[in-house]
Amino acid sequence: DSGVTQTPKHLITATGQRVTLRCSPRSGDLSVYWYQQSLDQGLQFLIHYYNGEERAKGNILERFSAQQFPDLHSELNLSSLELGDSALYFCASSPPWGASEQYFGPGTRLTVT
Amino acid sequence: AQTVTQSQPEMSVQEAETVTLSCTYDTSESNYYLFWYKQPPSRQMILVIRQEAYKQQNATENRFSVNFQKAAKSFSLKISDSQLGDTAMYFCAFMKHIQGAQKLVFGQGTRLTINP
Repeated sequence: DSGVTQTPKHLITATGQRVTLRCSPRSGDLSVYWYQQSLDQGLQFLIHYYNGEERAKGNILERFSAQQFPDLHSELNLSSLELGDSALYFCASSPPWGASEQYFGPGTRLTVT
Repeated sequence: AQTVTQSQPEMSVQEAETVTLSCTYDTSESNYYLFWYKQPPSRQMILVIRQEAYKQQNATENRFSVNFQKAAKSFSLKISDSQLGDTAMYFCAFMKHIQGAQKLVFGQGTRLTINP
């Protein structure tokens, strides 16, 4: 158990819908990262937040948005869902003192039908 | 942009054997980190080992060790005395050393099967 929690574990929804994925980092970690794992694209970085501020953006679609709240949990919002958005979405967190390790949550499996 | 290449999509060995997984990367950076992550059938991403580019000594974690060749941009993972629980996808990953903005760039993975 990495200490990073993600909810829900599984999500099944229809095309065109909007969903919210939630992540709580390890105690003491200020950084939250979101990654998408799909069969065709592999593991891809989406976005990084540090203590509430966006720090880096990867290949994140305009239909996707994220935020980190004052209690440091983060939410990834996916809207106008398409079949191709079906994937495993991971959240990771890392310590604030310059360490490089990222600890991953168990992931949320999103299925768009 | 950095790229990470794992040239072995699948590997299979017998229990107790030693296996080496290959990884090469492309970067113009001089200061960076390299990682191996393990993803068992549960889908959890588990950090196996980490290497700082400025350190010449190869990292070791119990049965796991790396062979880091900076000039060749090569970062292989050796698993000694392999166990059935080592069966998993293994991902090599690269991260630039930048304060405040960090992202992992992953390879496509190697599916490792340990046979009894």
